[in-house]
Amino acid sequence: ETGVTQTPRHLVMGMTNKKSLKCEQHLGHNAMYWYKQSAKKPLELMFVYNFKEQTENNSVPSRFSPECPNSSHLFLHLHTLQPEDSALYLCASSLWTGGDETQYFGPGTRLLVL
Amino acid sequence: AQSVTQLDSHVSVSEGTPVLLRCNYSSSYSPSLFWYVQHPNKGLQLLLKYTSAATLVKGINGFEAEFKKSETSFHLTKPSAHMSDAAEYFCVVSDRGSTSGTYKYIFGTGTRLKVLA
Repeated sequence: ETGVTQTPRHLVMGMTNKKSLKCEQHLGHNAMYWYKQSAKKPLELMFVYNFKEQTENNSVPSRFSPECPNSSHLFLHLHTLQPEDSALYLCASSLWTGGDETQYFGPGTRLLVL
Repeated sequence: AQSVTQLDSHVSVSEGTPVLLRCNYSSSYSPSLFWYVQHPNKGLQLLLKYTSAATLVKGINGFEAEFKKSETSFHLTKPSAHMSDAAEYFCVVSDRGSTSGTYKYIFGTGTRLKVLA
């Protein structure tokens, strides 16, 4: 599955670090999503971008800052994170034409905050 | 509001026996429903989707699901389990009521399938 790629696949960072997660989709889609998957919790939608415009921010703390420079790329900038932010961060994309809402997921970035 | 309930957090089956993973949904609209699979340390892979066409949906790897409106269910089945089916499975309903211009997924809490040799 190479339609949606994410880098890095693993990341360890201290609470004072600044890092970025990158997502790229090669499917010609126009909507992109960030999700957080923590152990024993349902997947949490964080952000949604539609045609590069942010359309959803699910009450995410400001230490997470998304960026969508074009419809193919999505970033999640991280700074001053907390240990409870350790999780698998999944990116997804979809072709929102008003009819098909199928989302395609990347492999995720496993983040550990020390 | 839409919601999804996966009735079993863990299911164990023997290799070669049938698989049944249960999912009930609540939706004010005619729903779109999905099943995804997640193998360890991997992303989510689409197994199948229902979007108001045929009520029996066939997916990849021999899986299928039947949409039953009267029971508000969308259970996932496979006639014969394989060791490679061991993974976590998520039932998803798409929120067509979103006003943002994009469809939001509502995820179930997942069912971990264990396949015994």
